[in-house]
Amino acid sequence: DTAVSQTPKYLVTQMGNDKSIKCEQNLGHDTMYWYKQDSKKFLKIMFSYNNKELIINETVPNRFSPKSPDKAHLNLHINSLELGDSAVYFCASSQVAGQGVETQYFGPGTRLLVL
Amino acid sequence: AQTVTQSQPEMSVQEAETVTLSCTYDTSESNYYLFWYKQPPSRQMILVIRQEAYKQQNATENRFSVNFQKAAKSFSLKISDSQLGDTAMYFCAFMSAMTNAGKSTFGDGTTLTVKP
Repeated sequence: DTAVSQTPKYLVTQMGNDKSIKCEQNLGHDTMYWYKQDSKKFLKIMFSYNNKELIINETVPNRFSPKSPDKAHLNLHINSLELGDSAVYFCASSQVAGQGVETQYFGPGTRLLVL
Repeated sequence: AQTVTQSQPEMSVQEAETVTLSCTYDTSESNYYLFWYKQPPSRQMILVIRQEAYKQQNATENRFSVNFQKAAKSFSLKISDSQLGDTAMYFCAFMSAMTNAGKSTFGDGTTLTVKP
């Protein structure tokens, strides 16, 4: 009965490869997010989707492409991986309600290592 | 743009003691949410406590409480009766209530170590 799940948990790959990380939430939330946490543990938002529509797109290389097939899923595809892409990627979801947005629930993270 | 500042990169406390983590933020908005998240070594992000800016009363969750000073834009977290399991990195976060898909701004984190 995991609320926000991500696969895979760990991903080790070579530079130049293309990889995807999947995220699913079973909370019935309208909004989903991708965050990147670098080696210094700084947490930065990358994207957010509301009802499958892109809402926030921070300054992220266009090698990163989110895809939301439905409001319960937000996948992250990364092309031509670079060493600097090594990080922990967190998916999160929240529900729009009342005044603004409710609390975000985070997935367990995907640790990406690019060699 | 909003900014969130956590001025204490590292802190330590003895088990059973009380510790306060500082957070200040900068915004021109009047409606927003503030959060404290805990990230233990497992890297899971866990919500500790949240505060709505329109509420004057400070939020509390068991041993965790906040001191929310809206005019000073300060949002500190107090952990009472610290336990070894409280050892983690703590992030303060700001979220605007203005948009329909809130963009959170996180502080750089405070690493808290609880010593036996």
